[in-house]
Amino acid sequence: GAGVSQTPSNKVTEKGKYVELRCDPISGHTALYWYRQSLGQGPEFLIYFQGTGAADDSGLPNDRFFAVRPEGSVSTLKIQRTERGDSAVYLCASSPLGLAGGRRSYNEQFFGPGTRLTVL
Amino acid sequence: DAKTTQPTSMDCAEGRAANLPCNHSTISGNEYVYWYRQIHSQGPQYIIHGLKNNETNEMASLIITEDRKSSTLILPHATLRDTAVYYCIVRPEMDSSYKLIFGSGTRLLVRP
Repeated sequence: GAGVSQTPSNKVTEKGKYVELRCDPISGHTALYWYRQSLGQGPEFLIYFQGTGAADDSGLPNDRFFAVRPEGSVSTLKIQRTERGDSAVYLCASSPLGLAGGRRSYNEQFFGPGTRLTVL
Repeated sequence: DAKTTQPTSMDCAEGRAANLPCNHSTISGNEYVYWYRQIHSQGPQYIIHGLKNNETNEMASLIITEDRKSSTLILPHATLRDTAVYYCIVRPEMDSSYKLIFGSGTRLLVRP
């Protein structure tokens, strides 16, 4: 079946511009995550959605970063006044997260291929 | 911060077993050990997880020491396609956000 998709795959922008990155999770997955990954580093958590609400946004670096998931499916990560330090690969993941057979099922996260953002 | 320590890089010959160690000496009783890997230019991929018993699936085996302070991921017959960065992560199953805290991982190179 279809996995997590992210668009665009690459985005080049100029310092100070606004960008939007889109994530289409696996159908039916209630949990959605955004991470970003700098060169040579592991992914860094940004924000977690359970349904439409942001349940944990503790990883957003500052108020230039914002994410929405208005209908509990597609999510958009928005970055205002981009800076060169925002250049990274932005990864989205989704998970079915929920109860299974009376106990909480393990939470395997399914990642998309990422969007490579370059701020010039 | 990541709660795990892994070697920066390892290599093994194709067809041989790859044994990737991970130290998690501060692991708590309710924390699971998860392994993900990331092949170049792709997103991370779940491999396996466990609490205290050894686990095996179609991809790998996970051996957790009795004191749970370390574990080893075993790829029994490594192939060139197993070349990737392998991340060992500890996380409570019942954590409210279920976020993954990645370290720098181990870069595994499988040699022909």
